[in-house]
Amino acid sequence: SQTIHQWPATLVQPVGSPLSLECTVEGTSNPNLYWYRQAAGRGLQLLFYSVGIGQISSEVPQNLSASRPQDRQFILSSKKLLLSDSGFYLCAWALLGRDTGELFFGEGSRLTVL
Amino acid sequence: GQNIDQPTEMTATEGAIVQINCTYQTSGFNGLFWYQQHAGEAPTFLSYNVLDGLEEKGRFSSFLSRSKGYSYLLLKELQMKDSASYLCAFLDSNYQLIWGAGTKLIIKP
Repeated sequence: SQTIHQWPATLVQPVGSPLSLECTVEGTSNPNLYWYRQAAGRGLQLLFYSVGIGQISSEVPQNLSASRPQDRQFILSSKKLLLSDSGFYLCAWALLGRDTGELFFGEGSRLTVL
Repeated sequence: GQNIDQPTEMTATEGAIVQINCTYQTSGFNGLFWYQQHAGEAPTFLSYNVLDGLEEKGRFSSFLSRSKGYSYLLLKELQMKDSASYLCAFLDSNYQLIWGAGTKLIIKP
């Protein structure tokens, strides 16, 4: 069966510090991968999605970046965090060619920027 | 343009029935989805409607009217564990999910 994991689950970072969130998928090949952010009381905002290694599409211009160094690894990064980067970050996957809305989410990473 | 709308919060009583509505506007449509999200957790898939009509799955049912841009999630025999946010989302012509802000459902004994 397929599984998805992301870490760390919780982190508190000062403004201006770097960020790295990691996500890995097991049990599937060549998945579509996604990074979402959910601010308190808001809907899910798509940040990045990837259809393959090294292929990243950005939905929202910001100080965040994403990379996909391996087929089942997706990394969200920032060189300098802003207060507005606080939120709940979710990694998700869907099978290529069956890009339905049945996204499978990781456990989530709650980021607080102080 | 695209938009999707659902109520911010609803309150219901344990054992009762509640209907959560979702309306959307889009030029390209490939299905509508409902997800459940408990506080502090990731969303989990509940239902998918691509054709008009009612889909029933246990205590939960989902309805879609494509001509009206309307869907609802019906929860029967409410339990305290059903307290959560319910997110509706549609799949657009590019097969990207467009999410509503979620409806927080509060269940009272």
